[in-house]
Amino acid sequence: GESVGLHLPTLSVQEGDNSIINCAYSNSASDYFIWYKQESGKGPQFIIDIRSNMDKRQGQRVTVLLNKTVKHLSLQIAATQPGDSAVYFCAENRGSNYKLTFGKGTLLTVNP
Amino acid sequence: GAGVSQSPSNKVTEKGKDVELRCDPISGHTALYWYRQSLGQGLEFLIYFQGNSAPDKSGLPSDRFSAERTGGSVSTLTIQRTQQEDSAVYLCASSLGVSGGNTQYFGPGTRLTVL
Repeated sequence: GESVGLHLPTLSVQEGDNSIINCAYSNSASDYFIWYKQESGKGPQFIIDIRSNMDKRQGQRVTVLLNKTVKHLSLQIAATQPGDSAVYFCAENRGSNYKLTFGKGTLLTVNP
Repeated sequence: GAGVSQSPSNKVTEKGKDVELRCDPISGHTALYWYRQSLGQGLEFLIYFQGNSAPDKSGLPSDRFSAERTGGSVSTLTIQRTQQEDSAVYLCASSLGVSGGNTQYFGPGTRLTVL
């Protein structure tokens, strides 16, 4: 069935390294994607979004890349810090549908 | 300004009891969503409100679940005759409007434990 999923359930990096979190989606009608960060005991926090008419979008220390050919989304975090340790979710919005479909999440652990 | 708030933050109840969970969306946001998150899982859509339109209840798992939104602002999610499988974190989100692409902002969630 249609789904949004993540390639890696866990990712461990050293402080200062760059992190890449990947996400695959199966519905070519998806036109809006969001990355959320969820720290323990908190709700998901918006990080960055991208629309399907773009391939790349940059924020502060974060970059989202969208490859529509292979239906792949990635989140790059530059100079990863201990405060970046959290679960990261990708979510997709399909067409005019207001519902977000979430992947299961990737746990990012930053080692000092 | 204030973000989405939810209460209570934690709720422990006995199997068979009813519970009410409250959500206060961001002021000015017309769309409100409820999600459920089981341990170590992603978010499961439950219900969606937009203005005065009929809510989309397609995600509610059973008729024990219901939700209301009064005055286009505060929402209450009610679970009747709670079961142990209802134990989860219930998250509320709001967004500016209905069209696709509106960013949803989440509250801290209510952790429900059914004994």
